Amino acid sequence: DQQVKQNSPSLSVQEGRISILNCDYTNSMFDYFLWYKKYPAEGPTFLISISSIKDKNEDGRFTVFLNKSAKHLSLHIVPSQPGDSAVYFCAATPDRDNYGQNFVFGPGTRLSVLP
Amino acid sequence: GAVVSQHPSRVICKSGTSVKIECRSLDFQATTMFWYRQFPKQSLMLMATSNEGSKATYEQGVEKDKFLINHASLTLSTLTVTSAHPEDSSFYICSARDRAGEKPQHFGDGTRLSIL
Repeated sequence: DQQVKQNSPSLSVQEGRISILNCDYTNSMFDYFLWYKKYPAEGPTFLISISSIKDKNEDGRFTVFLNKSAKHLSLHIVPSQPGDSAVYFCAATPDRDNYGQNFVFGPGTRLSVLP
Repeated sequence: GAVVSQHPSRVICKSGTSVKIECRSLDFQATTMFWYRQFPKQSLMLMATSNEGSKATYEQGVEKDKFLINHASLTLSTLTVTSAHPEDSSFYICSARDRAGEKPQHFGDGTRLSIL
């Protein structure tokens, strides 16, 4: 039973346009969410996070939106760049202060930004 | 730069061999490190939580006698896959949480283990 879902295994976007990656979760106990980016043969790199008390968090070109009632979050990348091409994992945890022990990762979405 | 170093990056060995993977936090102390496993096109699955100076906590379904974890210091955790078999072939990734504050996990670059 997947608690964190990323229903799009892949996404292609033109350079300069917006990339929107989606993530849905089922566990209402999750209250802290993170996005990681992963290049082939490398470990995931933290990108951005959001606490359940917020509905939006922005960091440069990256914005994460959280809709708690829908149990849905999304990552927006604007403008998309070829270097953004990677696999993006959504992760969730029910315990912000002890996150890691209960991290649950989604299956990932492969983003390809076309020049 | 990388804050978590994982070594080796790739291992190819015969069935029955035991393989040790090291995970080091380079510029911070990590009381807790995590070991994940990733199968092709699948998500990261937490295997165990490694606590400095105490026994690791294993996730359900993970054999602790098969995957030995030692967290001997605040900067080093090791995962030993004992008597590895082809079904143990996978991508193993460690991560660590900065002791100092609220920071997300930093991941190592992973170890590709191939058992022939």
